[in-house]
Amino acid sequence: NAGVTQTPKFQVLKTGQSMTLQCAQDMNHEYMSWYRQDPGMGLRLIHYSVGAGITDQGEVPNGYNVSRSTTEDFPLRLLSAAPSQTSVYFCASSPSLAGGPGEQYFGPGTRLTVT
Amino acid sequence: EDKVVQSPLSLVVHEGDTVTLNCSYEVTNFRSLLWYKQEKKAPTFLFMLTSSGIEKKSGRLSSILDKKELFSILNITATQTGDSAVYLCAVGYGGSQGNLIFGKGTKLSVKP
Repeated sequence: NAGVTQTPKFQVLKTGQSMTLQCAQDMNHEYMSWYRQDPGMGLRLIHYSVGAGITDQGEVPNGYNVSRSTTEDFPLRLLSAAPSQTSVYFCASSPSLAGGPGEQYFGPGTRLTVT
Repeated sequence: EDKVVQSPLSLVVHEGDTVTLNCSYEVTNFRSLLWYKQEKKAPTFLFMLTSSGIEKKSGRLSSILDKKELFSILNITATQTGDSAVYLCAVGYGGSQGNLIFGKGTKLSVKP
C-alpha cells in the first residue's frame, strides 16, 4: 500500500492564481481531511469528508473548495490564491470508527508559497 | 470555544533525561486524545487514549489521560537524540467522523 499520497510536494503561485492540491489514499478509508500547518499555529482543519459525495467545512474553510467523487481521491482547490494561504498542507485519512475519531494517516505534505 | 493547550512550547534536555509533555483540553463532546510525533515531515501516530487512568506504553514512551481534570501527559524516559521532534496533541470530537483539534505542539530538542 502507498498509504496517503499528495502532489505536488512544492508549489509557488502568484496572487490570484488557482490550483488544485491532489490527495489519494489506497486504504479504502471513508474519512479524509485537509489541514494546514503554519508556524506557531499547529494543524488546523480546512475541510473534511466522511465518504464519497459528502464534504463539510472545518475550522478554516474560506478560500478553499473540495469535492469527493471517489473513496480514494480528495482534491483541495484554491480558488484565488492569497499570500495568507502560504502554508504546508497535509491530507489525512482514517477508517470510520463507531467509537469516535481514531488514528489518522497523514500524507507527506505540500509546501505552498503564494507571492 | 474548543481548545487544546500544550506545555511547554519548547524544551531542551540532554540524552538520558526523562521528560514530561503536557496537554490540556476544553473540547465539547470529547471522544479521544491522540499524540503524534512530527520530524520535519508528516505527523506519525504514537498513542490514542479514550479512557481515564489507563496508561499506554510503547518502549520508552508512555501516556495517560485524566478525563476528570481534562489533561494528558506524554512521558519519554532515557531520551535519545532521535527523540528530537515536535510532539502534537490532538483531541477527537463529535460522532464517528475523524475531526481533530490540534494543540500547537511541544518542540523537544535532545542534546548529546
